[in-house]
This record gives sequence, C-alpha cells and structure tokens, in this order.
Amino acid sequence: DAGVIQSPRHEVTEMGQEVTLRCKPISGHNSLFWYRQTMMRGLELLIYFNNNVPIDDSGMPEDRFSAKMPNASFSTLKIQPSEPRDSAVYFCASSQHGGAQHFGDGTRLSIL
Amino acid sequence: RKEVEQDPGPFNVPEGATVAFNCTYSNSASQSFFWYRQDCRKEPKLLMSVYSSGNEDGRFTAQLNRASQYISLLIRDSKLSDSATYLCVVNWGPKTSYDKVIFGPGTSLSVIP
Repeated sequence: DAGVIQSPRHEVTEMGQEVTLRCKPISGHNSLFWYRQTMMRGLELLIYFNNNVPIDDSGMPEDRFSAKMPNASFSTLKIQPSEPRDSAVYFCASSQHGGAQHFGDGTRLSIL
Repeated sequence: RKEVEQDPGPFNVPEGATVAFNCTYSNSASQSFFWYRQDCRKEPKLLMSVYSSGNEDGRFTAQLNRASQYISLLIRDSKLSDSATYLCVVNWGPKTSYDKVIFGPGTSLSVIP
C-alpha cells in the first residue's frame, strides 16, 4: 500500500520566493497533519484537517503560512514570502480518526 | 509544566542491555498514547500504541499509568539497530480536537557494540 506521499523531497530557494509543499494522504484516512521539525524546536504541529476541514491551525507561525485541503487526497502548505528561518523539514501525516499517524518522507526546505 | 516531557538523554547502552524511557504528560483528558521512533534524517515511524493494561511487542514493552500521567517504554536485549530517537506521543482532546497529538521532544538512544 502506498504511504503518505510528499513532494518535493528537497527544496532550495531564495528568501522572498513562494514555496508550495504537497501531500497525498493514505487513502481512507480522514485526518491530515502538517508538521515542521527543527533541531531547536523539535516536531511542531502547524495545522490539521479532519474530513478536509481545518480543525486547528494554532500552530501556523504567521500569515505567511497557509494550508489547503481541496479534497480527501491532496493538501498543500504554502509559504509566501519565504524567509531563512523557515528552513526546516516539513512532514505531512495522516490517520484514521483516533488512530496512529503515518508520516511521509518529509520535505527538506532551505531558504537562502 | 510542558505538555509532554521526556528525558532527552542521550542514553548510551551496550548491546544486550535493557533500557527504559519515561514520558510524562500534563493533560489528564488524554486518551491515546503512542511511541514512535525516528532515525536520523528520517520521518517518525510508529513503534507501538500504548494500552491501559500495558502491552508487549517482542523486545518492547509499553506501560501506561493514568494516575501519575506517565507512560514508559522498555527495550530488552538492545540491538545496534535500536539506536534512534524515541518520541512519546499523546493525543490532546477535547473531542472536538480529538485527533490532535503532541509529540514529546524525544529521547536519544545509542546502542554501543
């Protein structure tokens, strides 16, 4: 079975540019999560969706970050404009209600 | 008090040793508990769920103490391949936000030949 699929695997871009990260959850999972991981702050929940509806976005750092889930099989996390402090690994995860989360391979983002 | 706390380690143990990790959580309404492992530069992967009565999976044993709000993970007969960071994960309720979980900061384990 296909797991959570994220793209791109790596992204290097200059500050000020728009960055779009993509995620395809596991089929049948109704919750989707976006996380950011850095050495300093560990794994932080940014936002999560249940049945394509954003439930909790309290972890989204600021207005530069936005996330959408137009349907059950696709979500995006967008950063505009990007800044060097956004450099991190961004993970997408999905789960069935109340179940354990399954993570994608992550996107390693570097903002120069 | 932080939401989920773990001893960061690192724990350096010889092969074959038994090692135990503890994790405390602050939300008494939490209902689901998990242990994940994360290898360097990889994604977190589910190791095991933690059930109220405690549960075992091979060399791994998980325990839950609701009264004291902590969970534990015991690894017996450590292998080199057990070297990783172990993350304690607690769901955060309330029911309207049931799927939200909090990851602990992780405990680093190095198993030494």
